Amino acid sequence: QSVLTQPPSVSAAPGQKVTISCSGSSSNIGNNYVSWYQQLPGTAPKLLIYDNNMRPSGIPDRFSGSKSGTSATLGITGLQTGDEADYYCGTWDSSLSAEVFGGGTKLTVL
Amino acid sequence: QVQLVESGGGFVKPGGSLRLSCAASGFTFSDYYMTWIRQAPGKGLEWVSYISSVGSTIYYADSVKGRFTISRDNAKNSLYLQMNSLRAEDTAVYYCARGAGAKGKDYWGQGTLVTVSS
Repeated sequence: QSVLTQPPSVSAAPGQKVTISCSGSSSNIGNNYVSWYQQLPGTAPKLLIYDNNMRPSGIPDRFSGSKSGTSATLGITGLQTGDEADYYCGTWDSSLSAEVFGGGTKLTVL
Repeated sequence: QVQLVESGGGFVKPGGSLRLSCAASGFTFSDYYMTWIRQAPGKGLEWVSYISSVGSTIYYADSVKGRFTISRDNAKNSLYLQMNSLRAEDTAVYYCARGAGAKGKDYWGQGTLVTVSS
């Protein structure tokens, strides 16, 4: 059971927009920055979003992040088949003194 | 360019030990906190441990506390994970990553597979 809650799967058509939610509590998302990672099949995770809404260089602006209270959201617009991957949210939990991740969301681009 | 290369994975029996290494290049290793994260087959990401830039601050997941030891050698640009008393549930791909805590992990290694089985 993950500390952060993500939907197991989401799907949308090419060109459409999708959002992935990540729900936590005041000890993690509520008081710490959130990051998002993309893991393509058979590869290491890749940082998509850090500090709630910042994109590393090289990450297209089709990817966006937001945070409100104890929840965070990853948005992806202009979906491409190459976006099919598992997506994870992560942050620090101040009560557990541990980094925590969501269980991951599998994105299918129909 | 930034590179992280893990090594040391393999097959070990329950109760055994392994030492993972992560060789860093392309950046000033001693400036960065570093993290170990693992992923069991078909499962999600699980944080294992992090170490501060000079090794003065260390945290472990409860699942590995007392069995695993993280360390670093800044002179050798290397990160380590000593794993003792290994259990079947430690079977996973182990990744080293740059960054720690709530900060995004901006570079990851390719991972090294640890299999614990009798």
